[in-house]
Amino acid sequence: GENVEQHPSTLSVQEGDSAVIKCTYSDSASNYFPWYKQELGKGPQLIIDIRSNVGEKKDQRIAVTLNKTAKHFSLHITETQPEDSAVYFCAASMDGTDKLIFGTGTRLQVFP
Amino acid sequence: EAQVTQNPRYLITVTGKKLTVTCSQNMNHEYMSWYRQDPGLGLRQIYYSMNVEVTDKGDVPEGYKVSRKEKRNFPLILESPSPNQTSLYFCASSFAAGAYEQYFGPGTRLTVT
Repeated sequence: GENVEQHPSTLSVQEGDSAVIKCTYSDSASNYFPWYKQELGKGPQLIIDIRSNVGEKKDQRIAVTLNKTAKHFSLHITETQPEDSAVYFCAASMDGTDKLIFGTGTRLQVFP
Repeated sequence: EAQVTQNPRYLITVTGKKLTVTCSQNMNHEYMSWYRQDPGLGLRQIYYSMNVEVTDKGDVPEGYKVSRKEKRNFPLILESPSPNQTSLYFCASSFAAGAYEQYFGPGTRLTVT
């Protein structure tokens, strides 16, 4: 079955710097890759997703890139702000299946 | 407001005392799922349901039961809780299984002593 690895487990950056979180997946049939943000005391919330027919997707300060050949995808946050501090989860799935497989999470801390 | 609700939010119980965590969604979603979150292990799926009366095991189903008698509700039942079930639990729902956004509840922190 699908396995998703996520790195790093913790990431500390200065406000205004960029942050990058990387994930690799094992099943080449996976075609849907969402990213979830979990703020303290809350459930995860989708922030951006990408499908395998697209190499990059951007939404204001966040972007996701996908390399199907290498089977990895990354979350990029530019101009980080303290409110970006949270745990981020990547995940992988495919059309027609009943599961979303999550990575182990990255705790991002943005220092003012 | 579209949401997934869970109750209780916090629960401390003793080994062997049956408990139920309720989950309800108001988005008419077909798919519902339960996850547990443990440090360093991410979100692991316990059980899921594709529709009413259709449930199936996830990756860590041992010690848990679920039911889906109505579309909006998906309770998680621990018949005889043990300390290794101490965890943070999330219910989630989505339009359908797989490649769709999942909407998560606020979480239930369970401690079994």
